[in-house]
Amino acid sequence: AQSVAQPEDQVNVAEGNPLTVKCTYSVSGNPYLFWYVQYPNRGLQFLLKYITGDNLVKGSYGFEAEFNKSQTSFHLKKPSALVSDSALYFCAVRGLTGGGNKLTFGTGTQLKVEL
Amino acid sequence: DGGITQSPKYLFRKEGQNVTLSCEQNLNHDAMYWYRQDPGQGLRLIYYSQIVNDFQKGDIAEGYSVSREKKESFPLTVTSAQKNPTAFYLCASSGSGWEYNEQFFGPGTRLTVL
Repeated sequence: AQSVAQPEDQVNVAEGNPLTVKCTYSVSGNPYLFWYVQYPNRGLQFLLKYITGDNLVKGSYGFEAEFNKSQTSFHLKKPSALVSDSALYFCAVRGLTGGGNKLTFGTGTQLKVEL
Repeated sequence: DGGITQSPKYLFRKEGQNVTLSCEQNLNHDAMYWYRQDPGQGLRLIYYSQIVNDFQKGDIAEGYSVSREKKESFPLTVTSAQKNPTAFYLCASSGSGWEYNEQFFGPGTRLTVL
């Protein structure tokens, strides 16, 4: 079975500082990894994905994520946080075998960016 | 939320009633999904459909039913057998090449049982 862990329920960062939201995964075979963001009472918005190739993936709104196969991690990063980045962030994984057509989501990390 | 609509935005149900949540997409996507979101639990898959007239149970299908008669539509019925239906329900879709394509989400329906 595939799984995703987001070890931090909440991350607080000052505006202008770099931010990291952590994600680790467990899956059979090579993973497909995704990050989504959710604003209050809204659906999820796609940020970026890792399928294959370069381990550093760039996405929307200045976000990027680094795939680390040995550590089974896919941490989301941004060099300089904005107050408007405050939202709920979800990491998701799909395995090539056994997962079927299903994404498995983490429990989410609430990001709070303060002035 | 582009291209996927869900209605209603808020829904109130009395215990013992069935209710149907609407999901429509104009993205020409083959695959559609229903998720349930509860605080602190992330998203859990209820049902998914990869093609018209076919659908599969997800991780928490008990107490729910779906149909996929048209490519654009994937309604979810929450039956009286669902013991704790109060939650935020999200519909999503994805194109061909489902393995690597991201899912697009609708704005959600918040269901409250009175």
